[in-house]
Amino acid sequence: NAGVTQTPKFRILKIGQSMTLQCAQDMNHNYMYWYRQDPGMGLKLIYYSVGAGITDKGEVPNGYNVSRSTTEDFPLRLELAAPSQTSVYFCASSLRSTGGYGYTFGSGTRLTVV
Amino acid sequence: ILNVEQSPQSLHVQEGDSTNFTCSFPSSNFYALHWYRWETAKSPEALFVMTLNGDEKKKGRISATLNTKEGYSYLYIKGSQPEDSATYLCAFQETSGSRLTFGEGTQLTVNP
Repeated sequence: NAGVTQTPKFRILKIGQSMTLQCAQDMNHNYMYWYRQDPGMGLKLIYYSVGAGITDKGEVPNGYNVSRSTTEDFPLRLELAAPSQTSVYFCASSLRSTGGYGYTFGSGTRLTVV
Repeated sequence: ILNVEQSPQSLHVQEGDSTNFTCSFPSSNFYALHWYRWETAKSPEALFVMTLNGDEKKKGRISATLNTKEGYSYLYIKGSQPEDSATYLCAFQETSGSRLTFGEGTQLTVNP
């Protein structure tokens, strides 16, 4: 059981470049999330999805886009990379919102924009 | 914007010491309070999900309590070991949706 798989683990981008961070889960979880973690700032929600075809903005969505065409995959797209997007990105999933289900996190993608 | 605060920010203890830290959260529209353990260079792992006022959860030497009326939760570690060194995150879940709002964490270092 792989859980939540994120790729790549590390990436360096130049300002203005674009890239997609991949996230896949094999637990048949309905809910998926993208967070970024900046030093001393905790985890901030970028986007989330409650099921295939449904996405919504979190606290810090500017500069990012997402799609959810299948239950398993939830890619995060950076269109015009900026230094402010240098961060560690975590994808997470949960079975559903009710019943207080915990999140399963991926191992993270460390992104540097130079 | 929901305010979830954790204290202290960091904590250094000696092996064998017992310790505790606090998570405070809004006392209205409560649904669940989550605790995660986050080791360096790894991803956060769920410790507890607590939903009822007065809840107490335990996993080995780690336990947690919940007071939803006053908006706080305590995490306790009994007889700390070096392998307990990690950042402990709490996260608040509102009634209205599934999203978690995370605190900034308490970084625990257990010295051998």
